[in-house]
Amino acid sequence: EVQLLESGGGLVQPGGSLRLSCAASGFTFSTYAMAWVRQAPGKGLEWVSSIRGSDTNTYYADSLRGRFTISRDNSKNSLYLQMNSLTAEDTAVYFCAKGVSGDSWVYMDPWGQGTLVTVSS
Amino acid sequence: QSALTQPRSVSGSPGQSVTISCTGTSSDVGAYNYVSWYQQHPGKAPKLMIYDVTKRPSGVPDRFSGSKSGNTASLTISGLQSDDESKYYCCSYAGTYLLVFGGGTTLTVL
Repeated sequence: EVQLLESGGGLVQPGGSLRLSCAASGFTFSTYAMAWVRQAPGKGLEWVSSIRGSDTNTYYADSLRGRFTISRDNSKNSLYLQMNSLTAEDTAVYFCAKGVSGDSWVYMDPWGQGTLVTVSS
Repeated sequence: QSALTQPRSVSGSPGQSVTISCTGTSSDVGAYNYVSWYQQHPGKAPKLMIYDVTKRPSGVPDRFSGSKSGNTASLTISGLQSDDESKYYCCSYAGTYLLVFGGGTTLTVL
């Protein structure tokens, strides 16, 4: 059974940084693309970033490129999201999700339960 | 990239069919057959229901179907059941390695 467990969320001050982690199990991690999607309180889904498994090519939402960095450690079956220069608008639940088929990064399933990031002073 | 446009809410009675629209542009929905739909129950993680416009992942009932015409994709749920009551999001590839979601549609089963 595929399991995705996010961690690293919490309260951070505006301008601060945070690193999210996603521990994956139940599948051959290195052969699948992975993604981060966020959801602000009471709002819709917003794609944040994706990373392929094979060549680790990375993709970002235009509005977040330069502040957020996605990475993975295939030896640890882990996905990461480094978030810098955080603002209140980054407050959201951050979901980790597995690419559906091999290195295809366009479709995501399943998703983890998410970790809440709150940016506030 | 701008969010895809979905109706805020739709409703239907048990056994009926409902269709949720997802309107994009010629740069996303209209340009690629990479449209997907996700179901999200309150407080839960989203679940993939449709991909490649019309395909269903294994385990998704065939009551769920997808289609596309021009810049608008649609999700149709037939034989509505109480468990279908949820929020539904469309998603499309938008070129240059970008994905865009719709704003979400709340489905109420009356």
